[in-house]
Amino acid sequence: DAGITQSPRHKVTETGTPVTLRCHQTENHRYMYWYRQDPGHGLRLIHYSYGVKDTDKGEVSDGYSVSRSKTEDFLLTLESATSSQTSVYFCAIKGELSGNTIYFGEGSWLTVV
Amino acid sequence: QKEVEQDPGPLSVPEGAIVSLNCTYSNSAFQYFMWYRQYSRKGPELLMYTYSSGNKEDGRFTAQVDKSSKYISLFIRDSQPSDSATYLCAVFTGNQFYFGTGTSLTVIP
Repeated sequence: DAGITQSPRHKVTETGTPVTLRCHQTENHRYMYWYRQDPGHGLRLIHYSYGVKDTDKGEVSDGYSVSRSKTEDFLLTLESATSSQTSVYFCAIKGELSGNTIYFGEGSWLTVV
Repeated sequence: QKEVEQDPGPLSVPEGAIVSLNCTYSNSAFQYFMWYRQYSRKGPELLMYTYSSGNKEDGRFTAQVDKSSKYISLFIRDSQPSDSATYLCAVFTGNQFYFGTGTSLTVIP
């Protein structure tokens, strides 16, 4: 158990509304990641963070923003949700002590209607 | 070209069979290699990781890396119905992880 909690776990929202997903970790890891997983595409990196207020874009960052004001929390915001953002979103942390491995949360299922 | 290529399957085997799952990667700079298991509607869970060429064994699972041919494999011995899941390979370099698209495995009792 990597101590990662995602919320909400399930959400249905309307096109054009903003949505924020929260990732909370309890083990003080420096690196945190947001991925989306879609059939045929696998896991794709949206944004990642390497410290408080330090973030960088991944390969599918358009339409998403992130914030990390505390070590334990990494927020993903869909500024104006679109149907193409219907997906399952996974937060992850990098486990520095156990090799360079990555541990995932349980996922947030988002449906944009 | 994707950083990691993985045959999506699906793969269906009888209980007790040996399963071989494979990935290829494109960049010789990749340093760490991982396998994840993902059950339906769950997050991926780390099965094994290695950073060197050769074999690493953990119970019924063996991870194999061939850096010369940029090939990584996961072998499952004595497969069980509980092994039915999607298996993802992953590689790491710098601060980035790259994932295969996953192979769906079903073990039939």
